[in-house]
Amino acid sequence: EVQLVESGGGLVQPGGSLRLSCAASGFTFSSYWMSWVRQAPGKGLEWVANIKQDGSEKYYVDSVKGRFTISRDNAKNSLYLQMNSLRAEDTAVYYCARKSRGIRNWGQGTLVTVSS
Amino acid sequence: NFMLTQPHSVSESPGKTVTISCTRSSGSIASNYVQWYQQRPGSAPTTVIYEDNQRPSGVPDRFSGSIDSSSNSASLTISGLKTEDEADYYCQSYDSSNHDVFGGGTKLTVL
Repeated sequence: EVQLVESGGGLVQPGGSLRLSCAASGFTFSSYWMSWVRQAPGKGLEWVANIKQDGSEKYYVDSVKGRFTISRDNAKNSLYLQMNSLRAEDTAVYYCARKSRGIRNWGQGTLVTVSS
Repeated sequence: NFMLTQPHSVSESPGKTVTISCTRSSGSIASNYVQWYQQRPGSAPTTVIYEDNQRPSGVPDRFSGSIDSSSNSASLTISGLKTEDEADYYCQSYDSSNHDVFGGGTKLTVL
């Protein structure tokens, strides 16, 4: 059974940093693109970033370019999202997702709140 | 880049059939696969359709997906509606630059 478990969310002040992690199991992690998707309170889903199987290609939504970095450790079956210079508008539940063209599996999400 | 436009809400009675549309603003709907996700209140999304019309294991065959090049849109059809189908539904596709695009979501009410 595919499992994706996010961690690392919490309350952070504007301008601060946070690192999200996603522990993957139940599939060959190194064979799949992975994604982060977020959902602001009461809003729809927004794609944040994608990373290729070997980490050689990374793509970001314009609003996070230069502030967020997606990475992975295939030896640890883990996906990460380093978030710097956080803004109030980054407040959202962040989901880790396994991709195969579209998203096939979702984690349960971790809440990030940016507020003073 | 392109946008995916969905109706804000749809409603239908139990046992009936409902169709949710997803219209691509530019470029061909057929050029990249479309996926559909269900999100019940307070829960994470789940995938109900991938690659235009494929159902993951465990998704009932009451759910079906299609694309229509003439209207440049994709559709999710749910037949034999059940109260448990009440949820938000999102379509999603991607562009040639490996950027994903989500539709704004459609709230399905089964009343």
